[in-house]
Amino acid sequence: EAGVAQSPRYKIIEKRQSVAFWCNPISGHATLYWYQQILGQGPKLLIQFQNNGVVDDSQLPKDRFSAERLKGVDSTLKIQPAKLEDSAVYLCASSFRREPFYGYTFGSGTRLTVV
Amino acid sequence: ELKVEQNPLFLSMQEGKNYTIYCNYSTTSDRLYWYRQDPGKSLESLFVLLSNGAVKQEGRLMASLDTKARLSTLHITAAVHDLSATYFCAVAPIIVSKLTFGKGITLSVRP
Repeated sequence: EAGVAQSPRYKIIEKRQSVAFWCNPISGHATLYWYQQILGQGPKLLIQFQNNGVVDDSQLPKDRFSAERLKGVDSTLKIQPAKLEDSAVYLCASSFRREPFYGYTFGSGTRLTVV
Repeated sequence: ELKVEQNPLFLSMQEGKNYTIYCNYSTTSDRLYWYRQDPGKSLESLFVLLSNGAVKQEGRLMASLDTKARLSTLHITAAVHDLSATYFCAVAPIIVSKLTFGKGITLSVRP
């Protein structure tokens, strides 16, 4: 099966600019996650979707970050305006069910550099 | 708040020797995941441990889970260079599906 697709792979922007990342999960996976991985740290959950509804966005900085999953398939994560501390790898993951007993599949990520 | 601790954070291993790394977590959980990450790459699933006493093995790696001690161990047998990577454990509390990751342990195998 095809994996979790993410684009772009890399993005460099200036602070205060906006940026968007795209994720296409594995076909049939109802649950989609966006994680932020800062260099040297483990990934941190930003937002979790179940189909097109938000399950958990408690750690999403809502003043600048937004995410949507229209039609319960693809998802877009946006940052506006970006700050230097947003430099990180943004990982998208998906799972077949909300209780992923068989794990999550991660995409290859988008590496964001804010200068 | 769930905390996941891994130690050590960096381990230099000698080829051919055995090592054990640890993952502790602070909240009751029955699901623990181990992932591998190579530099600049995404996370690759290694093991999913779903119950107390679970043990899984793949090649030179063996993972186990003790939910009473809130501890998982990853045992490396006869380390080889190909095992050099960062290893993360992640925990999902009961009923909650989101993963909380540790900071990762970077393993480096030297000749």
